[in-house]
Amino acid sequence: QQQVKQSPQSLIVQKGGISIINCAYENTAFDYFPWYQQFPGKGPALLIAIRPDVSEKKEGRFTISFNKSAKQFSLHIMDSQPGDSATYFCAASKRAGNMLTFGGGTRLMVKP
Amino acid sequence: GAGVSQSPSNKVTEKGKDVELRCDPISGHTALYWYRQRLGQGLEFLIYFQGNSAPDKSGLPSDRFSAERTGESVSTLTIQRTQQEDSAVYLCASSLPGLGRAFFGQGTRLTVV
Repeated sequence: QQQVKQSPQSLIVQKGGISIINCAYENTAFDYFPWYQQFPGKGPALLIAIRPDVSEKKEGRFTISFNKSAKQFSLHIMDSQPGDSATYFCAASKRAGNMLTFGGGTRLMVKP
Repeated sequence: GAGVSQSPSNKVTEKGKDVELRCDPISGHTALYWYRQRLGQGLEFLIYFQGNSAPDKSGLPSDRFSAERTGESVSTLTIQRTQQEDSAVYLCASSLPGLGRAFFGQGTRLTVV
């Protein structure tokens, strides 16, 4: 059962453009929504995270938008750079514990 | 250590052999997770340890897979009678309780030939 659905599977963006990755979840018990960035041969690394009491969180060029009623959240990468080329995973965890359920991943390529 | 450490980094084994993968979490992190990542795929949950609570084994794909953790320290993931479909990167992560922020190791790339 896939509790977190992520789209698109792959994304190509020109340098300077905006990259947008979307995730939808089913379990309303989820209350923590992180995004992880993974480079080839490396483990995923936390990029940015949000809790459902806010609708948006921004850190530098990275912004999470959260829509609690729609059970959706998205990652926006502004002014995308070739160095942002990586696989991005959204995730969610429950209030009672912190086991993470991951989306399927999005492979982002930023063309120079 | 400063981060989550996994060993070996690479393991090639023959079909039918048993393998043991090791994870050293960040000191003080009571939560520890194992995930499997097949080539080009997402992260598949395997097992979750939280302190002294019974582990959540709901993600283990078969009884050939088992994992142990001693207290809040090292964990080992054992795969018995390995099959070619077990070939993947096995990722370990640890976190403090209640925060959900997990730190991942580099993974162990397992190849079953």
